Amino acid sequence: GQSLEQPSEVTAVEGAIVQINCTYQTSGFYGLSWYQQHDGGAPTFLSYNALDGLEETGRFSSFLSRSDSYGYLLLQELQMKDSASYFCAVHGSSNTGKLIFGQGTTLQVKP
Amino acid sequence: DAGITQSPRHKVTETGTPVTLRCHQTENHRYMYWYRQDPGHGLRLIHYSYGVKDTDKGEVSDGYSVSRSKTEDFLLTLESATSSQTSVYFCAIKRSQGLLYNEQFFGPGTRLTVL
Repeated sequence: GQSLEQPSEVTAVEGAIVQINCTYQTSGFYGLSWYQQHDGGAPTFLSYNALDGLEETGRFSSFLSRSDSYGYLLLQELQMKDSASYFCAVHGSSNTGKLIFGQGTTLQVKP
Repeated sequence: DAGITQSPRHKVTETGTPVTLRCHQTENHRYMYWYRQDPGHGLRLIHYSYGVKDTDKGEVSDGYSVSRSKTEDFLLTLESATSSQTSVYFCAIKRSQGLLYNEQFFGPGTRLTVL
């Protein structure tokens, strides 16, 4: 079967750093993506890792270890607007773009 | 410049009726996708298209069909709606550049309620 595991909920305070982990077991793997979704909104793309290592985009970074079937999303200098759900998603094919999503992590940022 | 629009945005229908949801893109991308999102299940792929008249099934395709007669339009049809198809439906397009950038851009969603 195919599965992605991520924590269901995380709570942190404004200004802090939080890491959301994702482990996966899939039949094919070409990359790992992260999406953010605010309540009532559409998922929005945050990052894509095809190679091992850390990718940084402003306050957000994403890491991938293919040998460990593991990745994480790191959010720094948390702001209230970062309160949202965060989904990891595996690209199982190189060209179709089909995604397998995790069930999402709800991040609550407190003042 | 919305990129993707979905219509309708909200719909209430009765069990057994056919329903068609429309996704329209303005970016001329080859790949388009339909997902459903339910509490506790994240997003699950229903069907996807890799070109005009080229479609394939996703992980939860039973009870759904799709059509793509033009690059810009991807239609999702519930042949005979059931209460288990009450969900939020998202359409997406694939924006990618080479092997190191691979984004799916999502439409605003359609909230469907089947009574």
